[in-house]
Amino acid sequence: DAGVIQSPRHEVTEMGQEVTLRCKPISGHDYLFWYRQTMMRGLELLIYFNNNVPIDDSGMPEDRFSAKMPNASFSTLKIQPSEPRDSAVYFCASSLGYDNPYEQYFGPGTRLTVT
Amino acid sequence: AQSVTQLGSHVSVSEGALVLLRCNYSSSVPPYLFWYVQYPNQGLQLLLKYTTGATLVKGINGFEAEFKKSETSFHLTKPSAHMSDAAEYFCAVSVPNQLIWGAGTKLIIKP
Repeated sequence: DAGVIQSPRHEVTEMGQEVTLRCKPISGHDYLFWYRQTMMRGLELLIYFNNNVPIDDSGMPEDRFSAKMPNASFSTLKIQPSEPRDSAVYFCASSLGYDNPYEQYFGPGTRLTVT
Repeated sequence: AQSVTQLGSHVSVSEGALVLLRCNYSSSVPPYLFWYVQYPNQGLQLLLKYTTGATLVKGINGFEAEFKKSETSFHLTKPSAHMSDAAEYFCAVSVPNQLIWGAGTKLIIKP
């Protein structure tokens, strides 16, 4: 299995631009999580999906952030417009729902820099 | 509400010495407990987990942790540190459908 795949691995953009981060979960996993990691705030859960449906988006910091999961094998996290304070590493993780719902498998992350 | 506390944002040990990373949790129901490791510029990977059964859990790379319900603790240990153990370690506790994460402890290995 290829594991959780994220793209791009690095993204540098200017303030005000739209940024789209992509994630492909492990096949068969029905939970998908988006996290943000910064030095100041540590690891923060932004949103998670179950069977492609958003369950809890209380961690999404602002309306500038949105996430979608159009099918079981793909999810996006979009920031529009981006701001320098959005600079962070964004992780996607997936887990099995019924058998082992808490063991999360992480992707390598996308390092976002907003200038 | 459930929470996880990791004592010490940085822990420094000499190569060959005992590693002890502390994790305490608060939970109203018996939780599942996890330790994850994050090497520089990588995602988190599962080190070990406690679900049910034996309270002493063995993980990868010689690490183990013991679930102590009376102390609400799940401390991570390794008898002899290796340079390759330098990383950040995260403790997590289960709540319905997700994990609550500790702030992380950076393990520094001195030669």
